[in-house]
Amino acid sequence: AQSVTQLGSHVSVSEGALVLLRCNYSSSVPPYLFWYVQYPNQGLQLLLKYTSAATLVKGINGFEAEFKKSETSFHLTKPSAHMSDAAEYFCAVTSDSNYQLIWGAGTKLIIKP
Amino acid sequence: DARVTQTPRHKVTEMGQEVTMRCQPILGHNTVFWYRQTMMQGLELLAYFRNRAPLDDSGMPKDRFSAEMPDATLATLKIQPSEPRDSAVYFCASGPGTVNTEAFFGQGTRLTVV
Repeated sequence: AQSVTQLGSHVSVSEGALVLLRCNYSSSVPPYLFWYVQYPNQGLQLLLKYTSAATLVKGINGFEAEFKKSETSFHLTKPSAHMSDAAEYFCAVTSDSNYQLIWGAGTKLIIKP
Repeated sequence: DARVTQTPRHKVTEMGQEVTMRCQPILGHNTVFWYRQTMMQGLELLAYFRNRAPLDDSGMPKDRFSAEMPDATLATLKIQPSEPRDSAVYFCASGPGTVNTEAFFGQGTRLTVV
């Protein structure tokens, strides 16, 4: 069975600092991995996805994530945090054997001025 | 700009009343998901349709919840009778049906049962 673990339900960084949101997955078959962002009172919006092409994936708003098979990780990073990045971030996984998205619990990103 | 449309955006109802939430998936998408989001449980999959047929509704309380797709442009989620514990944000998402493509979410219906 597939699963996703997001370490830290809340992450707080200062404006301008590096953002690192962690996602580890479990999958017995090659995974497809997604990061979504949810702003307050809105639906989830895709940030980026890994679909077995390049292991370093660039997304919207300056975010990127690197697929590391050996570490079963797909951590999300951004070099410099902006106040507008404050939101909840979700990691999700699917595979050829399971189209349903398996979701992590989410990480709330707090940006300190 | 293609998007998933959910109505209503907000609903307040009394316990015991029927609630119907509607979703218009993106044209051409053949996969529809219904999710429920609460602070305590996070994001939960309630039901999943492909080509209008329910593939998985194991996450849905069967005694009071029902999900249907009367046609390709409309998905509905009904709760009858509603209970205070059903208060949550309900999201519909649609996808093109290929495993390596993302699901597109609607803005959600915020349901409050008093």
